[in-house]
Amino acid sequence: GENVGLHLPTLSVQEGDNSIINCAYSNSASDYFIWYKQESGKGPQFIIDIRSNMDKRQGQRVTVLLNKTVKHLSLQIAATQPGDSAVYFCAENMGSGGYQKVTFGTGTKLQVIP
Amino acid sequence: SAVISQKPSRDICQRGTSLTIQCQVDSQVTMMFWYRQQPGQSLTLIATANQGSEATYESGFVIDKFPISRPNLTFSTLTVSNMSPEDSSIYLCSARGGEGYTFGSGTRLTVV
Repeated sequence: GENVGLHLPTLSVQEGDNSIINCAYSNSASDYFIWYKQESGKGPQFIIDIRSNMDKRQGQRVTVLLNKTVKHLSLQIAATQPGDSAVYFCAENMGSGGYQKVTFGTGTKLQVIP
Repeated sequence: SAVISQKPSRDICQRGTSLTIQCQVDSQVTMMFWYRQQPGQSLTLIATANQGSEATYESGFVIDKFPISRPNLTFSTLTVSNMSPEDSSIYLCSARGGEGYTFGSGTRLTVV
């Protein structure tokens, strides 16, 4: 597959432990944030999102935290599994109405150690 | 969520030629987006394509190099024109549908 994650920071986590992936975003006007998972050879897959009027949102085994004061976003994965190994990107949505765009952070490669 | 079919999945092209990448969405979407992803790096937005209007290009990308068509609410194409080895990359389309934005599986382009 493609070398997605070759030059990205890597987080190594023991299977069963919790993972925390961090992201700093750039635009204080961004109103919507998304976490994506990308496996080798595939397009990004939606994990969870959060609007700027929230500071926490939970999904199945995942939690996203948003700190607008310091423009920081985190993704917490509970009980990390080997299938969670992938590259994770945060993305911020800007604009409104007929023009919006989503820009991506640099990404973090998650390696789960069995 | 919207499902996007993207093709080709990969291609090897001669420099100086052009390649057109197609994306078909299984539902009507207002905006579609085209990204480039260099191996081991993040996604860079090339342009936003609305049906019925010209695409909006990001800094560093121009219409002559990356012409985009958006003939209806379910389809878009990106052409990589007059290719050089520096255009070797993964190209992805995206659309807003359901939760977040859905992506095609990408086109891995190698220019020789």
